[in-house]
Amino acid sequence: DAKTTQPTSMDCAEGRAANLPCNHSTISGNEYVYWYRQIHSQGPQYIIHGLKNNETNEMASLIITEDRKSSTLILPHATLRDTAVYYCIVTNDRGSTLGRLYFGRGTQLTVWP
Amino acid sequence: NAGVTQTPKFQVLKTGQSMTLQCAQDMNHEYMSWYRQDPGMGLRLIHYSVGAGITDQGEVPNGYNVSRSTTEDFPLRLLSAAPSQTSVYFCASSGGTGPRGYTFGSGTRLTVV
Repeated sequence: DAKTTQPTSMDCAEGRAANLPCNHSTISGNEYVYWYRQIHSQGPQYIIHGLKNNETNEMASLIITEDRKSSTLILPHATLRDTAVYYCIVTNDRGSTLGRLYFGRGTQLTVWP
Repeated sequence: NAGVTQTPKFQVLKTGQSMTLQCAQDMNHEYMSWYRQDPGMGLRLIHYSVGAGITDQGEVPNGYNVSRSTTEDFPLRLLSAAPSQTSVYFCASSGGTGPRGYTFGSGTRLTVV
């Protein structure tokens, strides 16, 4: 699985958009970009994933650059409850299905009032 | 529907003791895995299973054993506890829909003294 690079920490004002970057310059053609978050040492929670196109769901949007070497997770209206560690994971679908998710250190997002 | 249940939630062991961390899921998921998370770090894969009777090693398998005799249960055994195994342990399961389908337990906080 390709390696990812994320900033160690970021902060954001409540109600504003939080934009979390991830670099994955060695991503291969069959690898997806997944985002998970972990709130206060709870188990990680799936947020969103994508292959080439931008994706949006009820939690967030995922913007993937055309060359697929980087992506940005967008929380459009951050709330205090979004304070968490966010993990960007790049993996092919088969590898991940077999239970081999590889987490890095992630980005600590702090949302302040 | 309880999801993924881990027991115990907290445990203190003396060096050299053995114990089993329990993980059970009621979603009829094929794939189950164990991760450990050290302070300030991301999750690291210990062992995983793609079905009853089938297990394999992850990144950090040394000092741990697993077995999968039923679909529902995936216990993690510490053979001879060491202080380096002080960590938070997470169990996860998936029905094979890729990383989006992963459900994590709430964790077991283990301290080895």
